Amino acid sequence: GQQLNQSPQSMFIQEGEDVSMNCTSSSIFNTWLWYKQDPGEGPVLLIALYKAGELTSNGRLTAQFGITRKDSFLNISASIPSDVGIYFCAGRSNTGNQFYFGTGTSLTVIP
Amino acid sequence: GAVVSQHPSRVICKSGTSVKIECRSLDFQATTMFWYRQFPKKSLMLMATSNEGSKATYEQGVEKDKFLINHASLTLSTLTVTSAHPEDSSFYICSAFPSGRGETQYFGPGTRLLVL
Repeated sequence: GQQLNQSPQSMFIQEGEDVSMNCTSSSIFNTWLWYKQDPGEGPVLLIALYKAGELTSNGRLTAQFGITRKDSFLNISASIPSDVGIYFCAGRSNTGNQFYFGTGTSLTVIP
Repeated sequence: GAVVSQHPSRVICKSGTSVKIECRSLDFQATTMFWYRQFPKKSLMLMATSNEGSKATYEQGVEKDKFLINHASLTLSTLTVTSAHPEDSSFYICSAFPSGRGETQYFGPGTRLLVL
């Protein structure tokens, strides 16, 4: 199946700093989702995006659906230790219900 | 709302045996469920799309006779790993796509399979 390119692969930041990660695809998607996964658990949905250009916030998280429909980014402001985890993007094309996942960004927040 | 459960949460089995993993949507109906496989520190790889009342759709490279999927009701899909081998050891995660409500999938907590 498809896999989306996500960068950076890992980040080590100081508590309080802002974080930015992005996801790109060679295909056009009509839905972008951002998830956070803690070790040994299933992914938890953070933000869902349904329209090109859409900018959506969820607390300290903000995500945008790229206008080309081939990319999306996620920002986390004022990071805290509980933000630690692996963040995945997921995209869905208009040809089916399947979602394909990005390669993941591992975030470490140093207190 | 939108809770998905998986059972068992972890299983250890001998090589050659078959293992069944259940995925249930607890508070919604799901015409479509998905099965993913995840290796340590890797991303989720879509294995198959489970469709209620019809055959599952498998991604390229996934053996349908190896990974049997049954979606007999609107709240339950099962994945059976047949004749399991050590290389089948992995974290298996399901997700459910609510019928007629939004366009977001919700994940189960995953099942850790270890084949000895």
